[in-house]
Amino acid sequence: GENVEQHPSTLSVQEGDSAVIKCTYSDSASNYFPWYKQELGKRPQLIIDIRSNVGEKKDQRIAVTLNKTAKHFSLHITETQPEDSAVYFCAASNGNQFYFGTGTSLTVIP
Amino acid sequence: DGGITQSPKYLFRKEGQNVTLSCEQNLNHDAMYWYRQDPGQGLRLIYYSQIVNDFQKGDIAEGYSVSREKKESFPLTVTSAQKNPTAFYLCASSIQGRSYNEQFFGPGTRLTVL
Repeated sequence: GENVEQHPSTLSVQEGDSAVIKCTYSDSASNYFPWYKQELGKRPQLIIDIRSNVGEKKDQRIAVTLNKTAKHFSLHITETQPEDSAVYFCAASNGNQFYFGTGTSLTVIP
Repeated sequence: DGGITQSPKYLFRKEGQNVTLSCEQNLNHDAMYWYRQDPGQGLRLIYYSQIVNDFQKGDIAEGYSVSREKKESFPLTVTSAQKNPTAFYLCASSIQGRSYNEQFFGPGTRLTVL
């Protein structure tokens, strides 16, 4: 089955700096890679996703890159703000199941 | 936050009891999922269902059971065989039959064993 690894597990950045979270996957059949943001006690919310036929996608301060050959994808948050503080999860899907990383707790220091 | 609901929000269980967590969606999604979330371990798949009257075990199905009698509903029963059931349980749904399936999550149920 698929194995998704996520790093780092915790990340602290100064407000205004950039944050990068990296994930790797093992199954070449995975073709959809969403990123979720989860605030304490709340449901995960999709913030950006990328399909396997695309190498990069950007939405305002958030971007995701995908390297299919190396089987890794990354989340980039620029100009971080305190409200970006949350746990971020990456996932990989083959169209049937979703496999999640273990999460990154991001703290943005004002 | 519309579309997928879970109840109750908090649930307390005594050891040896079975409890059932509710999940309902009005998104007309074919696929539904149950995940368990523990601190530092991300989301682990318990069961999933792609169509009515059919479901498959996920990575941690032992001690859990599900049913899918209606498209809108996918209840999860935590049985007494589940030795460490205290966790945050998330239900999700997605459109099946497409290569790219965005998942929508419910608000979760926090289960505590007393």
